[in-house]
Amino acid sequence: EVQLLESGGGLVQPGGSLRLSCAASGFTFSAYGMSWVRQAPGKGLEWVSHIIASGGTTYYADSVKGRFTVSRDNSKNTLYLQMNSLRAEDTAVYYCAKRLTPTITVFDYWGQGTLVTVSS
Amino acid sequence: EIVLTQSPGTLSLSPGERATLSCRASQSVSSSHLAWYQQKPGQAPRLLIYGASSRATGIPDRFSGSGSGTDFTLSISRLEPEDFAVYYCQQFGGSQWTFGQGTKVEFK
Repeated sequence: EVQLLESGGGLVQPGGSLRLSCAASGFTFSAYGMSWVRQAPGKGLEWVSHIIASGGTTYYADSVKGRFTVSRDNSKNTLYLQMNSLRAEDTAVYYCAKRLTPTITVFDYWGQGTLVTVSS
Repeated sequence: EIVLTQSPGTLSLSPGERATLSCRASQSVSSSHLAWYQQKPGQAPRLLIYGASSRATGIPDRFSGSGSGTDFTLSISRLEPEDFAVYYCQQFGGSQWTFGQGTKVEFK
């Protein structure tokens, strides 16, 4: 059974940093691209970042480029999101999501999410 | 960036009725990169449709997707009580993924 478990969320002050983790199990983690998608309270879904299976290429939404860094450790089956220079508008539930296949650009499994609150 | 606009914002229907949800793109989208998700309160999104018209594993056949270019549609043939939720379309293009703002299907 595929499982994705996010952790690392919490309350942080504006300008602060936080690192999210997503522990994966039930599939060959090293074979799949992974994304972070966030959802502000009461709002819709916003894609944040993607990393290919090998970790060699990353993509970012313009809203987080230069502030967030996605990475992965395939030996630990874990995806990360390092978030720096956090702003109030980064407040959201952050989901990690598994890509369906290397050529199909949709997400078939999602974690339960971890809440990040940026506030003084 | 390709913008996806979903309509209507809210759809008020009764169980057993047909739901038709629209997703319009600001420029042409490859059908292979168009998906639909369902999200219920407090839950993560669930993949319904990918490639514009292919049902994901375990999705009932009352859900169907269609469309091409800039206009895509998600149809639910006969609403079941568990189908009342928010639905999002999603596309991939130019190394970016974008989501529509969502359509809420609520009880009439």
